[in-house]
Amino acid sequence: DAGVIQSPRHEVTEMGQEVTLRCKPISGHNSLFWYRQTMMRGLELLIYFNNNVPIDDSGMPEDRFSAKMPNASFSTLKIQPSEPRDSAVYFCASTLGQGLGEKLFFGSGTQLSVL
Amino acid sequence: GENVEQHPSTLSVQEGDSAVIKCTYSDSASNYFPWYKQELGKRPQLIIDIRSNVGEKKDQRIAVTLNKTAKHFSLHITETQPEDSAVYFCAASGTGGFKTIFGAGTRLFVKA
Repeated sequence: DAGVIQSPRHEVTEMGQEVTLRCKPISGHNSLFWYRQTMMRGLELLIYFNNNVPIDDSGMPEDRFSAKMPNASFSTLKIQPSEPRDSAVYFCASTLGQGLGEKLFFGSGTQLSVL
Repeated sequence: GENVEQHPSTLSVQEGDSAVIKCTYSDSASNYFPWYKQELGKRPQLIIDIRSNVGEKKDQRIAVTLNKTAKHFSLHITETQPEDSAVYFCAASGTGGFKTIFGAGTRLFVKA
């Protein structure tokens, strides 16, 4: 298995532009998580899905952030409009989703820079 | 919701010495406590985990201990090596087991 695949690896954009981050979880994993990592705030859970359904989006910072999971093999995190304070590394992770406390498999992350 | 606190934020040790990182959690329903290691520019990767029905677990040079009553858990690395230098995150998985909340991280430096 190729593991969790994220794209793009790096994204540089200007303030006000729309940004879309993509994630393909490991085949057979039923839970998907989006985390944001910054020096100041560490690893923050933004949202997670189970069986393609959003379960908890309480970590999504503002209405500018939205996430979707249209099928078991694809998820997007969108920021519209983007702001410089959104600059961070965004990680996607997946687990089997059996609800028993499980190892997170992380993707390589997307380094987002908003100028 | 769950809150995980981690100390220290930075730890510097001499090669061969031991390193200890401590965490506390707030949700008494949490039942899974993983530790992740993140090297510079890389993704976090699980190095060891422990469940609430176990007090201690060891894997070669690393060990974790859990005190459910006090809601404390700790990571112990013995005989540290320069390649152990990284950021270490503790985490807790709470009610239902789906949601994993991370501590702020400890940057470990092992000096040769």
